[in-house]
Amino acid sequence: GAGVSQTPSNKVTEKGKYVELRCDPISGHTALYWYRQSLGQGPEFLIYFQGTGAADDSGLPNDRFFAVRPEGSVSTLKIQRTERGDSAVYLCASSPKGLAGGQFHNEQFFGPGTRLTVL
Amino acid sequence: KNQVEQSPQSLIILEGKNCTLQCNYTVSPFSNLRWYKQDTGRGPVSLTIMTFSENTKSNGRYTATLDADTKQSSLHITASQLSDSASYICVVSVDNQGGKLIFGQGTELSVKP
Repeated sequence: GAGVSQTPSNKVTEKGKYVELRCDPISGHTALYWYRQSLGQGPEFLIYFQGTGAADDSGLPNDRFFAVRPEGSVSTLKIQRTERGDSAVYLCASSPKGLAGGQFHNEQFFGPGTRLTVL
Repeated sequence: KNQVEQSPQSLIILEGKNCTLQCNYTVSPFSNLRWYKQDTGRGPVSLTIMTFSENTKSNGRYTATLDADTKQSSLHITASQLSDSASYICVVSVDNQGGKLIFGQGTELSVKP
């Protein structure tokens, strides 16, 4: 079966522009996570969806960042007025269950990421 | 503050040799600890998951250990192969937060022929 897919794989934009990054989770996975990974660092949590709702958005760095998951499947991470410091790889992951189902049911499966470069 | 620290930052070994990567964490409440392998340009892939009651878990040539008392974990790779070259990331899941993961910075392993 298909894994988590992310589009585009690479995005180059200019400072101040608006970008959207898309994540297609594994079919049937109710939980979806966004992470940001800077060069040489581990991923950093941004936001977690359980179904359509954002269950935890504590990792979003500021109000320029926003994410939606209107139908509980595909999610879009939106960044307004991009800054050079936003340049990173944005990873998406999905899991069969979030809070429900016990510890082993929140195995997260990662997509390949979108490399965002802000010039 | 929830943190995961790994050592060494990078490691070069010869093909066929063994190696051990270290992870220390200060995460509370603790749910489970995972080791991920991340190839260049790819997303992380899970190798092992351990709860506080598990001391060791193996996945082929990978063996992870966990000491929940000292909050330390290690990943041992046996008979390394060139394809083991990757970043190995220690990740701790925070209990009751939907599987929120705290990532270490990773150990960059390079296996040379």
